[in-house]
Amino acid sequence: AQKVTQAQTEISVVEKEDVTLDCVYETRDTTYYLFWYKQPPSGELVFLIRRNSFDEQNEISGRYSWNFQKSTSSFNFTITASQVVDSAVYFCALGDAGNMLTFGGGTRLMVKP
Amino acid sequence: KAGVTQTPRYLIKTRGQQVTLSCSPISGHRSVSWYQQTPGQGLQFLFEYFSETQRNKGNFPGRFSGRQFSNSRSEMNVSTLELGDSALYLCASSPPAVNTEAFFGQGTRLTVV
Repeated sequence: AQKVTQAQTEISVVEKEDVTLDCVYETRDTTYYLFWYKQPPSGELVFLIRRNSFDEQNEISGRYSWNFQKSTSSFNFTITASQVVDSAVYFCALGDAGNMLTFGGGTRLMVKP
Repeated sequence: KAGVTQTPRYLIKTRGQQVTLSCSPISGHRSVSWYQQTPGQGLQFLFEYFSETQRNKGNFPGRFSGRQFSNSRSEMNVSTLELGDSALYLCASSPPAVNTEAFFGQGTRLTVV
């Protein structure tokens, strides 16, 4: 069975602080996919990144960066110099060979001015 | 390019009634997945349709059903509504390749009273 754990249910930071959102996953598959989504108050899930199990390269996109470590089954997400607009719920998800996603419980990030 | 469109956005139904939700995927996408989001259970996969066939199914009772039309639009139906069916129902569409990113609509918020 697939499982995703986001241990941080809520994080509060002050604008311009760096913040890391943790994600730990469990799967028996050798081929799998990891995702991060952002859910603003409007409800829509906004895609941020997709990573397959064979690509452990870290990725940076502007203020966002992701650290994928198979050895610890983790796929952590860091926002550098956080902004108020980053306030949202962030979900880590695990995909199998099909299109089914298993989501973590989400981390609510509050960035205060 | 138009995004995923879900209708209606909000719905209030009475226990015991049935409801039909609609999802129009991004043009060219043939896979449509449905998710239920509740405060208690988080985001849970309902089912996925691809080329009018159900390809994956989550662990939900038979009261939850869906279908997909030849134009890839999808509907999900919940019969004999229960209070616990109150949730945000999210639809996602994906390009034809397996396990690419899923693009989500804004959801239908269903309240059962």
